[in-house]
Amino acid sequence: EVHLLESGGGLVRPGGALRLSCAASGFTFSTYAMSWVRQAPGKGLEWVSGISGSGGNTYYADSVKGRFTISRDNSKNTLYLQMNSLRVEDTAVYYCAKEKLDYESSGYYLHGIFGSWGQGTLVTVSS
Amino acid sequence: DVQMTQSPTSLSASVGDRVTITCQASQDISKYLSWYQQKPGKAPKLLIYDSSNLETGVPSRFSGGGSGTDFTFTISSLQPEDIATYYCQQYDKLPPVTFGGGTKVEMK
Repeated sequence: EVHLLESGGGLVRPGGALRLSCAASGFTFSTYAMSWVRQAPGKGLEWVSGISGSGGNTYYADSVKGRFTISRDNSKNTLYLQMNSLRVEDTAVYYCAKEKLDYESSGYYLHGIFGSWGQGTLVTVSS
Repeated sequence: DVQMTQSPTSLSASVGDRVTITCQASQDISKYLSWYQQKPGKAPKLLIYDSSNLETGVPSRFSGGGSGTDFTFTISSLQPEDIATYYCQQYDKLPPVTFGGGTKVEMK
C-alpha cells in the first residue's frame, strides 16, 4: 500500500525559509515522478512543483519559480521542497502527490495524474 | 497556461439524484483531464483520469466524459458519502498542471 507522510510545516515569518519532506513507502520510489500541490485556507488546489523519478527534471509554477526548490533522495525514499523568501500568500496546506503511472508506462517525466496523496502539512507565513 | 472553469461552484441535491458538473478548458486538452474528490480536512482522491477512465476501486456511479475543451462529471445516484468538493484538472499542457476552482456538493 502506498503511504506518503509530509512533515516540516509550521509558522514562519515573511521572508523566511522552510523545508518540507515527504517520506514515501509501498512502491518503487525512484520510478515515479512526484509533485507538491498546495491549498490555501478555504481555497482550491494549486500545483506547485514536480520532479521526475530520477530527479533530473524539475518543474515549477510561476508563482514559486526562483524561490522554491524541489528535490528527492531516492536512497531515502524522500521528496523535499525547500521554500525560501516565503510570502503571506504561500500560506497553505502542502500535499505531496505520487503519479499514477511510472515513466515506463506513461512515457513522460511528469505526467500529471496524481494517484496517491499524503495527508498534508500546514505552512503558515505570518508576522 | 490552460485555465479550467468549473460550474456550478456549488450545488445542493437529494439522495438518489443525478448530479452533473461541467469543466471547460481554455484550449484543447484532448482527453487529458482528471477528476478528484476532496472531503473536508482530507487529501484529494483521484476518481477519473483520461476524461472517462474510472480509477480502481471507485464506485461505478461516478463517470466522466468529454474531449477537447468541454468535459462532464456525473454522479448517477447521489449517496450521503459523496458530499465533498470535486475538482477537475488538466495534464495535457504542462507545466503547469492546472485545476478547476472546485464544485461543492451538498445534501438537500
